[in-house]
Amino acid sequence: NAGVTQTPKFRVLKTGQSMTLLCAQDMNHEYMYWYRQDPGMGLRLIHYSVGEGTTAKGEVPDGYNVSRLKKQNFLLGLESAAPSQTSVYFCASSYFGGPGTGELFFGEGSRLTVL
Amino acid sequence: KNQVEQSPQSLIILEGKNCTLQCNYTVSPFSNLRWYKQDTGRGPVSLTIMTFSENTKSNGRYTATLDADTKQSSLHITASQLSDSASYICVVSARQAGTALIFGKGTTLSVSS
Repeated sequence: NAGVTQTPKFRVLKTGQSMTLLCAQDMNHEYMYWYRQDPGMGLRLIHYSVGEGTTAKGEVPDGYNVSRLKKQNFLLGLESAAPSQTSVYFCASSYFGGPGTGELFFGEGSRLTVL
Repeated sequence: KNQVEQSPQSLIILEGKNCTLQCNYTVSPFSNLRWYKQDTGRGPVSLTIMTFSENTKSNGRYTATLDADTKQSSLHITASQLSDSASYICVVSARQAGTALIFGKGTTLSVSS
């Protein structure tokens, strides 16, 4: 039972490069989220999806794009990476009902460094 | 402004001892409060979820309490083990549309032998 799987786990980029983080869940969850975690700060929501084909902005969406073409996958893209996007990124999913009620299941995280 | 404050920021205890972590929040309207455990280099894992009507919930050696009147919660760890060394994150959900989870910064617990 894999749960929530993130790839890659580590990545180093140069400023201006682009990349995509992949999140896959095998629990048939409707809701999926991307968070970033920075030292001394709580997790902050970047984008989320309430179902296949839908996406919405979270608290810190600038510089990121997302897509949810399949229910089990949620992609996070950086079109032109900046040093301020150096962070640990977590994907999470929850049952239908949203994060306000449903339990969140997190992936193991993807550590991104932008030089 | 919706906020979640945790204390202490970090804590060191001896194996076998008990400890209590605190969480104060100013989230309104309140929906539920969660405690997560995050091991170093791993994703957060849910320990407990409490709604407005629940004032205590246990998960093994972890017991969470909630006082919705004073907007305070605590996480009590009994007979600590080395594996309890982790960051403990308090998360409060606001009862509103969209994603309304407010994360605390966490308390880092170190259990030494």
